[in-house]
Amino acid sequence: AQSVSQHNHHVILSEAASLELGCNYSYGGTVNLFWYVQYPGQHLQLLLKYFSGDPLVKGIKGFEAEFIKSKFSFNLRKPSVQWSDTAEYFCAVKKDTGRRALTFGSGTRLQVQP
Amino acid sequence: NAGVTQTPKFQVLKTGQSMTLQCAQDMNHEYMSWYRQDPGMGLRLIHYSVGAGITDQGEVPNGYNVSRSTTEDFPLRLLSAAPSQTSVYFCASSRAGLNTEAFFGQGTRLTVV
Repeated sequence: AQSVSQHNHHVILSEAASLELGCNYSYGGTVNLFWYVQYPGQHLQLLLKYFSGDPLVKGIKGFEAEFIKSKFSFNLRKPSVQWSDTAEYFCAVKKDTGRRALTFGSGTRLQVQP
Repeated sequence: NAGVTQTPKFQVLKTGQSMTLQCAQDMNHEYMSWYRQDPGMGLRLIHYSVGAGITDQGEVPNGYNVSRSTTEDFPLRLLSAAPSQTSVYFCASSRAGLNTEAFFGQGTRLTVV
């Protein structure tokens, strides 16, 4: 069963628009949360991560994400997107039990139009 | 810094052929894993290892074998390639436990004809 859900599969925005990509996971224990970005033809790059502490985390390139434990969510945000943000974005979860590996969502393809 | 190195970057196989995808890391990480990436499905875990001599199955292990004889290397073997194994394969490594970040290789694009 898919334990990480990304509800937006394909998002099209104009430059300067605000972005929010949803991520929900289905696990009640302790988790590490990640957002990765994959630019066309490239490998995965870490955007940001949450381990513990302040639920609002800031990453590279102006991205941030908020961990809401009660909602099992870790949504990615950016106030103003640029054409260079065109990429695929993956949410990933690492649990404190079971497989010691990441579980990924299905990804969201973001297309930013100039 | 090399990080996680995957070879080859591209490969075309005929149905029924075998091959090994190589993955090596130079960070002395305990955990290593293999994923396949298919459109609309994200990355799915094939096999993973928590240390030398220890491997376990992920979500989609069928058709793939792994071994971990050293900390550095984690090869993925396709014993008899099938068109359904056409995908992009990523290897990752991390330190043990929670609160650690995974580092990914550049990927191997495999086509089975």
